[in-house]
Amino acid sequence: DQQVKQNSPSLSVQEGRISILNCDYTNSMFDYFLWYKKYPAEGPTFLISISSIKDKNEDGRFTVFLNKSAKHLSLHIVPSQPGDSAVYFCAADPNQAGTALIFGKGTTLSVSS
Amino acid sequence: DVKVTQSSRYLVKRTGEKVFLECVQDMDHENMFWYRQDPGLGLRLIYFSYDVKMKEKGDIPEGYSVSREKKERFSLILESASTNQTSMYLCASSIGTGDYTDTQYFGPGTRLTVL
Repeated sequence: DQQVKQNSPSLSVQEGRISILNCDYTNSMFDYFLWYKKYPAEGPTFLISISSIKDKNEDGRFTVFLNKSAKHLSLHIVPSQPGDSAVYFCAADPNQAGTALIFGKGTTLSVSS
Repeated sequence: DVKVTQSSRYLVKRTGEKVFLECVQDMDHENMFWYRQDPGLGLRLIYFSYDVKMKEKGDIPEGYSVSREKKERFSLILESASTNQTSMYLCASSIGTGDYTDTQYFGPGTRLTVL
């Protein structure tokens, strides 16, 4: 039973446009969420996070939105660049201890120039 | 910069062999983790360790064991490798703040094939 769901396995976007990656979760007790980015042949790297006390967190071209009532979060990348092509994993931190993260299956983003 | 290294990038083993995957971090982190990544399944936690000689089971510990004799090194052991353990194995470490701000840093992964 998946607790963190990324229902789109892939997304294709043109350079300069907005990329929107979606993530849903099932447990309303989850309070902290993270996005990781993974290039082929490399380990995932932390991208951005959000706590439930906020509904938005921004870091440069990357913004994460959280809708607690819908149990939904999204990652917006504006403008998208070819170097953003990677697999993006959404994760929840159910214990808020930075340990037992629950990851989604990932979405492969392809940005074409 | 945090550096997490894994002993091998690619490994091919035979069914029934004992397999050791080694992970070393150079930032004096308290926490270390082993995940496996499979297509369509994302990252799943196998084991993690919050201190030397301490370990906790993750979501899929069956068929695996771990060892942490030194703070910087965390080993994943497949006692008797099976074909369903063919996967990408990722090691991670974190400072160990005990709260949600604790970021995990990942190694490059070991792609293990069991024939």
